[in-house]
Amino acid sequence: DAKTTQPNSMESNEEEPVHLPCNHSTISGTDYIHWYRQLPSQGPEYVIHGLTSNVNNRMASLAIAEDRKSSTLILHRATLRDAAVYYCILSRRDDKIIFGKGTRLHILP
Amino acid sequence: DGGITQSPKYLFRKEGQNVTLSCEQNLNHDAMYWYRQDPGQGLRLIYYSQIVNDFQKGDIAEGYSVSREKKESFPLTVTSAQKNPTAFYLCASTPGGGTKTQYFGPGTRLLVL
Repeated sequence: DAKTTQPNSMESNEEEPVHLPCNHSTISGTDYIHWYRQLPSQGPEYVIHGLTSNVNNRMASLAIAEDRKSSTLILHRATLRDAAVYYCILSRRDDKIIFGKGTRLHILP
Repeated sequence: DGGITQSPKYLFRKEGQNVTLSCEQNLNHDAMYWYRQDPGQGLRLIYYSQIVNDFQKGDIAEGYSVSREKKESFPLTVTSAQKNPTAFYLCASTPGGGTKTQYFGPGTRLLVL
């Protein structure tokens, strides 16, 4: 199983950038890196994914280390609505997807 | 709109009773998954199915059963053998291909009376 390691919780001030780290030292060449976020009592929501290159979308940016053993989700300007649990996941074509406990992000007004 | 629906939103189970949670998707996705989430915890995989009429156990399959008779549907039965069923249950699906981006339903909260 592909495993990731994330901090249990982080805090950030509103309207400031947030960098959420993820370590995945056992990543293989064909594993995709996915990020999801989950609000209370809701299902997780897709945020972004990547393979080797950095990725940007309307929600966030994903920075992937050159050796692919770590990645960082970047929220460019945090709002109170970004307070959630963020999961970093590795997905492999013919394997099950494993969710860890994620990082609980607190946004301070 | 395409998406995943789960019903009911809340479900109550009596001791010794089997209950079935519904999951339907109209995204034409091949693979479907069931997860269990306990308070303050991450998601744990119960069962998953990559094609119709085939499914595999996840990490905590004991006390649960599934079927995949149609591509759109993947119901989960919580049997009386599951001694601690109170949890939030999430269904997800992924399209074919390598990225395996998952799309989640809104969840069903199961409570034991």
